[in-house]
Amino acid sequence: DVKVTQSSRYLVKRTGEKVFLECVQDMDHENMFWYRQDPGLGLRLIYFSYDVKMKEKGDIPEGYSVSREKKERFSLILESASTNQTSMYLCASSPPTGYQETQYFGPGTRLLVL
Amino acid sequence: AQSVTQLDSQVPVFEEAPVELRCNYSSSVSVYLFWYVQYPNQGLQLLLKYLSGSTLVKGINGFEAEFNKSQTSFHLRKPSVHISDTAEYFCAVSVRGNTGKLIFGQGTTLQVKP
Repeated sequence: DVKVTQSSRYLVKRTGEKVFLECVQDMDHENMFWYRQDPGLGLRLIYFSYDVKMKEKGDIPEGYSVSREKKERFSLILESASTNQTSMYLCASSPPTGYQETQYFGPGTRLLVL
Repeated sequence: AQSVTQLDSQVPVFEEAPVELRCNYSSSVSVYLFWYVQYPNQGLQLLLKYLSGSTLVKGINGFEAEFNKSQTSFHLRKPSVHISDTAEYFCAVSVRGNTGKLIFGQGTTLQVKP
């Protein structure tokens, strides 16, 4: 059974803190994605990676960075958390021919920045 | 650029009634179309997808969708809903050649009432 796991379901951080969100997939997928989900806005792509050490900006990369040192792990980093980064964060992975492939999602991390 | 519009933010319906969730897209190139479902406190999972061939696509849990190229629509239907279908539904598109980047609609909350 395919599995994408995220390190935390709920997280509370202070403004200015550095925040790490971790995602691990066990399907040997090349592609990995980070989205944020906000009511009325759907899912918006922050960053994606199509190989180890490779990354590309999505639609809303400002205030975020990513790291992919191993194929199975994709980390999202908030360098200095702000209240407008309070959101649900979803990680996903897919095989390399991504445009026609199913994306597999983790359960999400609900982040509150105070 | 591509965009996806889900025409209804909330759809209330009684149990065993039929339902249609509407999705329209905009694109100057051919797209692949997806419907994902998000049950409460969970990540997204694939309901169905259209890649090519028959324009009527059947998915899991009795859902189906019809691709209409002339109207640029991909509406989701179910002839008889259950309480367990209460969830948020997302329509998404991807483009050939992209590394799996999905563009999501805003989401439609289906509320099934007894």
